[in-house]
Amino acid sequence: QLKQSGVEVKKPGASVKVSCTASGFTFSNYGFSWVRQAPGQGLEWMGWVSAYTGDTTYAQRFRDRVTMTADTSTNTVFMEMRSLTSDDSAIYYCARESRDLEILDPWGQGTLVTVSS
Amino acid sequence: SLDLTQPSSVSVSPGQTANILCSGHNLESKNVCWYQQRPGQAPRLIMYQDSKRPTGIPERFSGTNSGNTATLTIRETQTVDEADYYCQAWVRTAAVFGGGTRLTVL
Repeated sequence: QLKQSGVEVKKPGASVKVSCTASGFTFSNYGFSWVRQAPGQGLEWMGWVSAYTGDTTYAQRFRDRVTMTADTSTNTVFMEMRSLTSDDSAIYYCARESRDLEILDPWGQGTLVTVSS
Repeated sequence: SLDLTQPSSVSVSPGQTANILCSGHNLESKNVCWYQQRPGQAPRLIMYQDSKRPTGIPERFSGTNSGNTATLTIRETQTVDEADYYCQAWVRTAAVFGGGTRLTVL
């Protein structure tokens, strides 16, 4: 199970940090992807973090503004995004990644981030 | 990179079969997943490695992948199957999603 932090409302130019806490499996055996969904739009993969090594891979469009981290002491992964604009208003999902099966499963419940002045 | 193209919508009558297509260059060389997203819910994995169903997914759901097209087939479609469906594949270490298909059962 993946449980995400709550709704965030931010002003343009601010930063946001979303958390995703895992339970029911060995956290350090997996990586975690972050996927966002703008209102009425499809799914967009943002990047990945390894819970074991902390290694990351980011989609090119987020490389300069996003940092993903993992904390094995709390079984939590984080996604921080800086310099927010209204275009970043979306639901942000974390999902456990199984590289051997090439799947994203399960998914967190999503965190709504609204950027508005 | 890889672009995955899906029809924006598919309509089917209850009890009929729905086919949702996902097109991409040489897609058969990739393992394709399918995710179901009901309104107001997070996506849920319903098919992986082209044709494997996770535990709990009904046998009515099946998948194929050949040439440039992957297909999700839903037999005996029910109103509970109304949702958005997304195909997904990996390009090196990056996940690529199709644009999604809204399935309407009416």
